[in-house]
Formats: sequence, C-alpha cells, structure tokens
Amino acid sequence: KQEVTQIPAALSVPEGENLVLNCSFTDSAIYNLQWFRQDPGKGLTSLLLIQSSQREQTSGRLNASLDKSSGRSTLYIAASQPGDSATYLCAVRGTGGTSYGKLTFGQGTILTVHP
Amino acid sequence: DVKVTQSSRYLVKRTGEKVFLECVQDMDHENMFWYRQDPGLGLRLIYFSYDVKMKEKGDIPEGYSVSREKKERFSLILESASTNQTSMYLCASSLSAYEQYFGPGTRLTVT
Repeated sequence: KQEVTQIPAALSVPEGENLVLNCSFTDSAIYNLQWFRQDPGKGLTSLLLIQSSQREQTSGRLNASLDKSSGRSTLYIAASQPGDSATYLCAVRGTGGTSYGKLTFGQGTILTVHP
Repeated sequence: DVKVTQSSRYLVKRTGEKVFLECVQDMDHENMFWYRQDPGLGLRLIYFSYDVKMKEKGDIPEGYSVSREKKERFSLILESASTNQTSMYLCASSLSAYEQYFGPGTRLTVT
C-alpha cells in the first residue's frame, strides 16, 4: 500500500527566504505526482503536476522536482511572501487498474511566512 | 477554468438523519471523487466514480453511499448520520489521470 510522508510537518520562515518542502513515497510505481495548496477552511488548489517521466515542473516562484526511483519529490518556493502561508500537500497517483486516477495524500506541511 | 462546486459550505445535521452532499463539475470530467479530511488523519478517499453509474469504494466507504446519474454530478449520501461523520468533505474531479480539481469543501457537523 502506498504511503506518502511530508517533512517537515510545520515550517516558519521570514519573508524573502527560499525554502524546500519534502515529500517521499514508498511505492515508486506512480503515474504522476501533484502538489496542492490549502488555505484554512478551504478546498485544495492544484499547484503543479509532474508526470512520472519528468524531472521537474515550474510555475512562477514554484519549482517541483521528482526522483521516482528514490521515491522523493521536493517543492521549492523562491522569495517567500506572507501570502504563501498555507498547508502544502503532496499526492501521488498510482498506475493501472482501478488505482488509475486515485491519489494518495501526505499529511501536509504547514507553512508560515512572517513579515 | 475548471469549476467544482459543492452544495453547501456548512451543514449541521442530527444523528440518524439522511444527509445528501452534492458536487457538480463543469468540465466534462469522467472521474469524480469524495474525500473526508480530519485533523491528524489527512485526506481519505471515501468513494470515486470513473463514469456515469459507475462507482468504486475508496479507503473508508463504511456508512456512505454515492450516486452518479449524470456525468457532471456526484452525490455523497450518509444513510444515517453519526457523530463520527463530523468532518470536512471535499469533492474533486479529473480528466483521466490528469490533475484533480477540488471544490471548496463542506464542513458537516452531526450533533
């Protein structure tokens, strides 16, 4: 059974810092990996999707990398801002059969960026 | 832009009531999902559907059922609500194995 772990569970940084959030998964047979952001009491917003054949994806100040063989992904946030404060969730999508399309989520990293 | 909407943001029900949570997506996605999110337990998949009238159990289907009569609409049903079903319920949709898009969530309280 796939398990997804995110480290650290919480992170507090001053505005302007570059930071890295980590995600690891136990089964490397994944179809793709998706990073989400969740604000308190709200739904999830998709940030980046990396296919299993890709090494990284970029969107603005966000860069996500994937090392499928070692079961790891990182989300890099450049020049952090207070508006980046949220919970960041990593989720992997399995391959084949009825797992196709299903996501397994990590517990999330709570990020606080203070002015 | 993909839009996933849920019928209520907040809902309060009594123990034993039958509860319907509705989800609608506007992008012709074949896959739709219902999750619940609880502190310390994260997001857990309740049911999903990969086509009209097709459904599969997720990780925690007990106490829930679903209905998908039309492609754009996926309903979660609590046959007899219990206090341990108090939670945040999130609906999502996707085209095949591509990005999942989530609705705003329904915070359900069962008293």
